Amino acid sequence: QVQLRESGPGLVKPSGTLSLTCAVSGASITTSNWWSWVRQPPGRGLEWIGEIFHRGNINYNPSLRGRVTITVDKFKNQFSLNLISVTAADTAVYYCAAKQMTNSGWYVGFSWGQGTLVTVSS
Amino acid sequence: DIVMTQSPLSLPVTPGEPASISCRSSQSLLHNNGFNYVDWYLQKPGQSPQLLIYLGSNRASGVPDRFSGSGSGTDFTLKISRVEAEDVGVYYCMQALQSPSITFGEGTRLEIK
Repeated sequence: QVQLRESGPGLVKPSGTLSLTCAVSGASITTSNWWSWVRQPPGRGLEWIGEIFHRGNINYNPSLRGRVTITVDKFKNQFSLNLISVTAADTAVYYCAAKQMTNSGWYVGFSWGQGTLVTVSS
Repeated sequence: DIVMTQSPLSLPVTPGEPASISCRSSQSLLHNNGFNYVDWYLQKPGQSPQLLIYLGSNRASGVPDRFSGSGSGTDFTLKISRVEAEDVGVYYCMQALQSPSITFGEGTRLEIK
């Protein structure tokens, strides 16, 4: 069972850059999974940010395109999120998640990290 | 984006009674491989979401058999045959077909009467 753990600063200044890393354990990041970021503003619902495959394929939420970058580090078995030009509206719990695929390519749902709260404030 | 609409948004239930949550999508979630790309997740208080059902009707590993998912195309249902106290939380449906983004329903808050 894949395990995910987010890390990064809990406080970012407005107009700054939000940077988070997700450490993957229990599975290689070079498996069939896609690696995703999802966020949840306080007291609100879930918003998908984007995903990356270890070969470099990336999909982003169009509402964040231009501000978001997701990268993967195969040597460290982790993936990262960068979000530039942040405002208070980007304050949220950020989850990394695995879009799980079997070796034969069948989708079998998302597995989630515990989440980390990032507050945008001066 | 595909819009996911859940109902009800609040669901008070007596322990031992059944519960049902509806999720409607703005586009068909039926893939040409014959599977409906809709999941159900439960977010317990203070926790991250946990997978209950994937591809419309497949229970995830370790999920009690009182949870079941059904539906096809644009209309989906999560049923709990007998609600227990540990089932409290917010239930989300999610479409994984994409186009272009994965999207979630607004969430249904289940509480114990």
